[in-house]
Amino acid sequence: DVKVTQSSRYLVKRTGEKVFLECVQDMDHENMFWYRQDPGLGLRLIYFSYDVKMKEKGDIPEGYSVSREKKERFSLILESASTNQTSMYLCASSLTARAYNYGYTFGSGTRLTVV
Amino acid sequence: KQEVTQIPAALSVPEGENLVLNCSFTDSAIYNLQWFRQDPGKGLTSLLLIQSSQREQTSGRLNASLDKSSGRSTLYIAASQPGDSATYLCAVSSNTGKLIFGQGTTLQVKP
Repeated sequence: DVKVTQSSRYLVKRTGEKVFLECVQDMDHENMFWYRQDPGLGLRLIYFSYDVKMKEKGDIPEGYSVSREKKERFSLILESASTNQTSMYLCASSLTARAYNYGYTFGSGTRLTVV
Repeated sequence: KQEVTQIPAALSVPEGENLVLNCSFTDSAIYNLQWFRQDPGKGLTSLLLIQSSQREQTSGRLNASLDKSSGRSTLYIAASQPGDSATYLCAVSSNTGKLIFGQGTTLQVKP
C-alpha cells in the first residue's frame, strides 16, 4: 500500500514564524497535493505538483509556498504564520494526473495552531 | 466549475440499520469518484474508487454506485456498526488533476 507520511501530527507556532510542513510518499507518485481543512469550509486545495520542481496554485495559495526538490517529498511553507492559518493540513498523492483507475492517498494530517 | 454536494450533513441511526449516503456533482466530465472515511482529528482513509466507466464498486459491507449522467453517487452501508461512526466524504477527479470534495456526511451509529 502507498504510504503518505506527514512529519508532524501536532504543531504550535508563533505568529510571524516561518513554518515548514513536510510530506513524503513512498510509491513513486507523480502528483502531490496540500489541502487545508476547516469546519464549515471543508477541504480546500492550497497547492499541487505534477512533477519535481513543478507547482501549481490551488484555490487558496495566498500566504503559502511549496517546494518539491525530490519526487517523494512535497513541502508546504508558511512564510509568516498568522492565526488564520490555524487549521488541519492534509497531504495527498496520486499516481498521475489523469488516471481513471487510480485514486488519491492521504496522510494522517498535521494540526497546526498559530498563537 | 465543479461542485460536489453531500446530503445529509449528519445522520444518526441505530446499530444494524442499512443506510445510504448521497453525493451529487454538477459536471459529469469526471475521471473517477472516490469515497473516503475520516475519523475525528485524523486523515482520510480511502474506501472505494469508482472509475467513470463503472457503475459500482463493493468492499465488504460497503457498496458505492455511480450514475455519471445524472451526476450522482451513493454509498450504501449494510448492517451498520458503532465502529462505522465517522465522517464520510466523496470527491471527484477530473482532467485538471484536482480532487474536488463534498462537505461530508457525519454518521453516528448508536449501539
